[in-house]
Amino acid sequence: EIVMTQSPATLSVSPGERATLSCRASQSVSGNLAWYQQKPGQAPWLLIYGASTRASGIPARFSGSGSGTEFTLTISSLQSEDFAVYYCLQYKDWPLTFGGGTKVEIK
Amino acid sequence: EVQLLESGGGLVQPGESLRLSCAASGFTFRSNAMTWVRQAPGKGLEWVSSISHSGGTTFYADSVRGRFAISRDNSKNTLYLQMNSLRAEDTAIYYCANQYSSGWSFYYFDYWGQGTLVTVSS
Repeated sequence: EIVMTQSPATLSVSPGERATLSCRASQSVSGNLAWYQQKPGQAPWLLIYGASTRASGIPARFSGSGSGTEFTLTISSLQSEDFAVYYCLQYKDWPLTFGGGTKVEIK
Repeated sequence: EVQLLESGGGLVQPGESLRLSCAASGFTFRSNAMTWVRQAPGKGLEWVSSISHSGGTTFYADSVRGRFAISRDNSKNTLYLQMNSLRAEDTAIYYCANQYSSGWSFYYFDYWGQGTLVTVSS
């Protein structure tokens, strides 16, 4: 099983600042990585797939990078609606596995 | 507009069974792989099971293999999850999601339902 590790667990950021979230895979997943945003009481929402492709309707302030075992989600200028929990997902191999999540909170 | 609506959740005792349903609309259901993902209270996301567009290929997490069965009825645009021998650790919100696929390759989950809560407790 590929273990996905996200860091940090919690990120405190002021509105307008940049946020950088990390996701590490225990073995290479190539570019088979997606990022999701989840707000309290809501279902997850797809942000990024293929490590760096924004899903339909996702603002340009969200960007993904990386390949192999190291991946990054960057939110260039945090808006109030971006405070949420973010998860990475590898879909290279079964079982599909999520990271433990990073909570982005208001500083 | 893609819509996924889960139903069938509730409170059951350990060892009992439950069947979840997910009614799909707004896309060509029979052409898409589907998946179930769960989230225990206050915890992260856990993939549970996936099924190919035809229903002929299925995948399960080790934690549910042998107890849960995923299936679909393409004539009814509905996905199912039969859950048997339920345990307290199965308590979670269960989400169905459309899984992008191409040929026999499965990828990410692009559309999600709002989930249905399953509580296993005596």
